[in-house]
Amino acid sequence: GAVVSQHPSWVICKSGTSVKIECRSLDFQATTMFWYRQFPKQSLMLMATSNEGSKATYEQGVEKDKFLINHASLTLSTLTVTSAHPEDSSFYICSASPRVLYGYTFGSGTRLTVV
Amino acid sequence: RKEVEQDPGPFNVPEGATVAFNCTYSNSASQSFFWYRQDCRKEPKLLMSVYSSGNEDGRFTAQLNRASQYISLLIRDSKLSDSATYLCVAKGGGSNYKLTFGKGTLLTVNP
Repeated sequence: GAVVSQHPSWVICKSGTSVKIECRSLDFQATTMFWYRQFPKQSLMLMATSNEGSKATYEQGVEKDKFLINHASLTLSTLTVTSAHPEDSSFYICSASPRVLYGYTFGSGTRLTVV
Repeated sequence: RKEVEQDPGPFNVPEGATVAFNCTYSNSASQSFFWYRQDCRKEPKLLMSVYSSGNEDGRFTAQLNRASQYISLLIRDSKLSDSATYLCVAKGGGSNYKLTFGKGTLLTVNP
């Protein structure tokens, strides 16, 4: 149980284009999902908390207009990197948990390369 | 001071060795703690939760000392397949569900 699916696994895009990443909870409902970014040899950094039916909560320093989050249903959250630039190249991972006291399950991650 | 700090590593040990990872956290309001493992270019996977009473899962033992805000993970009889980065994670208390990750400690188990 507690499976989180993330797509795409990897994407290469041109500078200036937008990329959408999907995160789905397959066997449970998730009112809250989390989006992380991980640069090489660095720890996971929380970007934002996605809340079903309401606005996402962004961490300090994360541009909400650049990283658009939509959590329209209890099983799907999307992260759109708008006008991507090479410095946005990173490993983006989502996570969710079926219950507050459980550990969190992560999606398989999306490796974004902006050229 | 970082919220979650781990041994910087890397650790290189022979098969069968016992290896210990140490972690400290700065937010005394943190309620739950976990150890995750992350293989190269993969997502983190939950290894085990950490309880105040200490808990064991096969070759893995986790300990939590709330007074000193210290967490540990012990791996006995290490296997080649244990090679990975081990992440110490703290979760906020109350309605704060955020996870804070340590930078991770890379373990390589050699034949």
